[in-house]
Amino acid sequence: SQQGEEDPQALSIQEGENATMNCSYKTSINNLQWYRQNSGRGLVHLILIRSNEREKHSGRLRVTLDTSKKSSSLLITASRAADTASYFCAAGTNSGGYQKVTFGTGTKLQVIP
Amino acid sequence: SQTIHQWPATLVQPVGSPLSLECTVEGTSNPNLYWYRQAAGRGLQLLFYSVGIGQISSEVPQNLSASRPQDRQFILSSKKLLLSDSGFYLCAWSVFSLRRDFYGYTFGSGTRLTVV
Repeated sequence: SQQGEEDPQALSIQEGENATMNCSYKTSINNLQWYRQNSGRGLVHLILIRSNEREKHSGRLRVTLDTSKKSSSLLITASRAADTASYFCAAGTNSGGYQKVTFGTGTKLQVIP
Repeated sequence: SQTIHQWPATLVQPVGSPLSLECTVEGTSNPNLYWYRQAAGRGLQLLFYSVGIGQISSEVPQNLSASRPQDRQFILSSKKLLLSDSGFYLCAWSVFSLRRDFYGYTFGSGTRLTVV
């Protein structure tokens, strides 16, 4: 079963507005990652937040993590048309010599110019 | 800098034909390597991962197999493709997390496989 589930499944906003996407997961994790995927392309890593962190920033991105609620949110401020893409959260847990990472089904973001 | 190459970008294959997708990583050593499949409009399903040469772990029993003949080369294969093997296949790498901090995956550009 999917470890991460995003909400909403689709989001349409005007350029300049903020976009917020949420992710819930089921079991304890070591980290929570967010990725972006343009149509028909590979995923691009955006940001990783570790389980002992509560908030992290990278440019126009702000990620929060609430381990008590097993949830995370991704905020994109001052959105641009180029932000149009699908966004995936991914929950990471240590499993021997590698990180077991389970992806959600994604939020499709459309930014209207 | 590290780069990952995946080819081909698109592939149309008849049912019952063999498959070989290749992925290579440059600029790092002893990476963890992964094959994922993404169905249309869906999330990613982990197919195989490898923590070293010749070490392959399968997450989902299926018609596919993987091999890692060299440290930075990962190959996805099938002897006979099924219609259900159609999808978007993604290769990824990460650092080996016991030795170094994990910073997330770096993905290849993907292969769109259509089995007809």
